[in-house]
Order: sequence, then C-alpha cells, then structure tokens
Amino acid sequence: GAVVSQHPSRVICKSGTSVKIECRSLDFQATTMFWYRQFPKQSLMLMATSNEGSKATYEQGVEKDKFLINHASLTLSTLTVTSAHPEDSSFYICSARALPQTSGGTPLPTQYFGPGTRLTVL
Amino acid sequence: GNSVTQMEGPVTLSEEAFLTINCTYTATGYPSLFWYVQYPGEGLQLLLKATKADDKGSNKGFEATYRKETTSFHLEKGSVQVSDSAVYFCALSENDYKLSFGAGTTVTVRA
Repeated sequence: GAVVSQHPSRVICKSGTSVKIECRSLDFQATTMFWYRQFPKQSLMLMATSNEGSKATYEQGVEKDKFLINHASLTLSTLTVTSAHPEDSSFYICSARALPQTSGGTPLPTQYFGPGTRLTVL
Repeated sequence: GNSVTQMEGPVTLSEEAFLTINCTYTATGYPSLFWYVQYPGEGLQLLLKATKADDKGSNKGFEATYRKETTSFHLEKGSVQVSDSAVYFCALSENDYKLSFGAGTTVTVRA
C-alpha cells in the first residue's frame, strides 16, 4: 500500500531554534498534503493544507509565520516550526492525498498518514 | 461546526473478547464517517468507512454502521486478537477532504 514517511521521528531542541519536519510520499504523487498536531490524549487537529506549487491554507488560529509550510514537489512537504517554544511541543502528523487512479487499479483511500514526529522544546 | 466524540480509553481486554468503541458526531451536513487505526510506530491507516446513512463499513472483522438517527458510528469486532492492539480514531469529513478526528481510543488485547 501507499507509504508516507516523516523525518525526523523525534526531535528535541532548545527554545528559540527552528525545526524542520519532512513529509514524503514514497510511492505515489500527492497533490495535497495535510499537517496535523496532536496533544496528549486529544484529537488530531488540522493545522494547514498544502498544495504542490502554491501557498498553504492555514486553519483558524494557526500562525502561518510560526509554522512555515512548503510543498515544493508532488512527493515532499516540509513544516518548519520557527523560533520554537515549549508550548510548541507536540506530536506533528502529516498526511498525503493521492492522485486519483486514471485507469485500472484499485481506488485509493482519501489520505495516507505518516508515522508522526515528536517535537520537544526545552 | 463538526466534531467527533469517541469513547475514552484505554480499553484492555482478553483475546477473543468482543470489542466495541462508541463514536458519535456532530455535523452541519451529511458527512462521510471513518475509522482509522494506528499500530505502534506506524501512521494512521484507514480501517473502514461509510458514506451515507445505514451504510455498513467492514474490514478485518471490524464493522461500523452509519446511524443518522443517533449520529453514531460505533466500531465493533466480535473476537479480537493480540494483533488488534492499537489506537483507534473515529473521524468525519463533509467533503472527503478535511478530516475531523476524535481523541482516539487505545486498545490493548492480552493473550
């Protein structure tokens, strides 16, 4: 099945530094990727939607200057947490939406999720 | 707005026991409903879905029926295995695009 990877899986950084998280679709092209944030024992909260070659669309309450998203190719999106602070510590998860099958094949589910990145800001 | 409420965990049960995880939703329109599963160290995977009222989604022995009258989509499995140990997320989408998730329920199955 389709695979989405995230790197790094875990990162610890000092307050004030910037952290970049990569999300890659390994065996399919993704026109759209999504970034979620999950606090302990809480829901995944959608942060933003990124479309290849265009600016990301951020959900209400998410600071776009704080969470920079780049979707430079059909297989890679990056989330950069700028000037990270302890309150940014969280579990960040990406998902990728596959292009629809044009002929043959099995219809794909809507989104494929990465395994997540645990960010801890000291 | 849209929201999903699912049963709090953790849930611990023995192999071959019956599993049910309750999920209810609030939506302004007619959403599609999903159950996702996250095995340890892996990303979320779609387990099953239903796109309209009275639809039943099923996969790997799990079932869930879209109940519009009770705004519910409870997940059930008649006989669980150790390999079913995972975190289960109920979710909805009104346009098959943005997903709204429940908090997740951790299930542990003991041999």
